[in-house]
Amino acid sequence: EAGVAQSPRYKIIEKRQSVAFWCNPISGHATLYWYQQILGQGPKLLIQFQNNGVVDDSQLPKDRFSAERLKGVDSTLKIQPAKLEDSAVYLCASSAGLAGPNEQFFGPGTRLTVL
Amino acid sequence: SQQGEEDPQALSIQEGENATMNCSYKTSINNLQWYRQNSGRGLVHLILIRSNEREKHSGRLRVTLDTSKKSSSLLITASRAADTASYFCATPPRTSGSRLTFGEGTQLTVNP
Repeated sequence: EAGVAQSPRYKIIEKRQSVAFWCNPISGHATLYWYQQILGQGPKLLIQFQNNGVVDDSQLPKDRFSAERLKGVDSTLKIQPAKLEDSAVYLCASSAGLAGPNEQFFGPGTRLTVL
Repeated sequence: SQQGEEDPQALSIQEGENATMNCSYKTSINNLQWYRQNSGRGLVHLILIRSNEREKHSGRLRVTLDTSKKSSSLLITASRAADTASYFCATPPRTSGSRLTFGEGTQLTVNP
């Protein structure tokens, strides 16, 4: 079974530039998550989708971050404009369902460095 | 604020020894999950324990859950160098479905 795919793996940009990350979840997984993981910390949920609808975006800095999952499969996360504090690993995860105990499967992440 | 907090922050042991990591959380939960993260394989789910379970085993892993103390522990027996990684506990609060809140993690180093 193919895992969660993410691209790019690494990205270096200057502050105030824009950047986009792409995620392809495990086939058939309805729920997709984007996490931000700052060095030395645990992952923090940014946004959660159920199919193509947003379930939880309470921790997404909406003035600069946006995400979409138009067809309920792939998803993109965008930062515009980037700040120095956005340097982190951005993890995408998927799970089979919304309710109940569900294992989340994580992609390899995109390491973003903002200079 | 973090829902889960792991203790210790860092742990260094010799191969063959056991490693114990603890996690405390704040709100009621349906289940608690442990994940491992290393540079080679990213973040990987290890084990899930439900709120009505007290102990669960998976291979060399043993997880306990004490809901009265809002705490959990992860024991890795007969550790190997390949167990070197960061270990996180994660909880979905009872009211928020599948959303996970991760702790800061315990960095485990197993020396050959």
